[in-house]
Amino acid sequence: AQSVTQPDIHITVSEGASLELRCNYSYGATPYLFWYVQSPGQGLQLLLKYFSGDTLVQGIKGFEAEFKRSQSSFNLRKPSVHWSDAAEYFCAVGARGGGADGLTFGKGTHLIIQP
Amino acid sequence: DTAVSQTPKYLVTQMGNDKSIKCEQNLGHDTMYWYKQDSKKFLKIMFSYNNKELIINETVPNRFSPKSPDKAHLNLHINSLELGDSAVYFCASSHSAGGTGELFFGEGSRLTVL
Repeated sequence: AQSVTQPDIHITVSEGASLELRCNYSYGATPYLFWYVQSPGQGLQLLLKYFSGDTLVQGIKGFEAEFKRSQSSFNLRKPSVHWSDAAEYFCAVGARGGGADGLTFGKGTHLIIQP
Repeated sequence: DTAVSQTPKYLVTQMGNDKSIKCEQNLGHDTMYWYKQDSKKFLKIMFSYNNKELIINETVPNRFSPKSPDKAHLNLHINSLELGDSAVYFCASSHSAGGTGELFFGEGSRLTVL
């Protein structure tokens, strides 16, 4: 069965500082990988996704993530955070080819931005 | 214009009552889902429907009954509500065959059982 681990429950970063959120996955083959963001009281918005090809993927709001097969990781990065980035971030894994199995989510990382 | 819309956004009710949440998507997707987000923000799939057919039915009490009248709609009915049912319920949709697996989420329905 596939699974996702986000080892950091909370992360606090100063505004303007760089950010890296960790994600490790367990899957039998190369999965589809996603990062979603959830602002308070809102639904989940897709930041970026990886299917194949270039292992460094660019997303919205200045985020990027790097797929590292050898480490089973898909860490999310941003060079300079803004106060509006404070939110819950979820890494997710899905089966190749889509299907109706949905995505398996990590438990999320709560990002706090210090002024 | 909302891609995935769910109603109501908030429900507050007493234990033992029955409630329903409705979901509609206008993205032309063939698969719809219900996810439950608990107080610790953990997201867990409950059900998925593909072209009105139930595909995934996770270990969910049978007090929860999904219904898909057509592939653009997926409703969730909950009988005999319990305190532990308090959560945010998210509807989502996607393309299945040949799709990327990307889920498009509604804004959630926060259920509070008193």
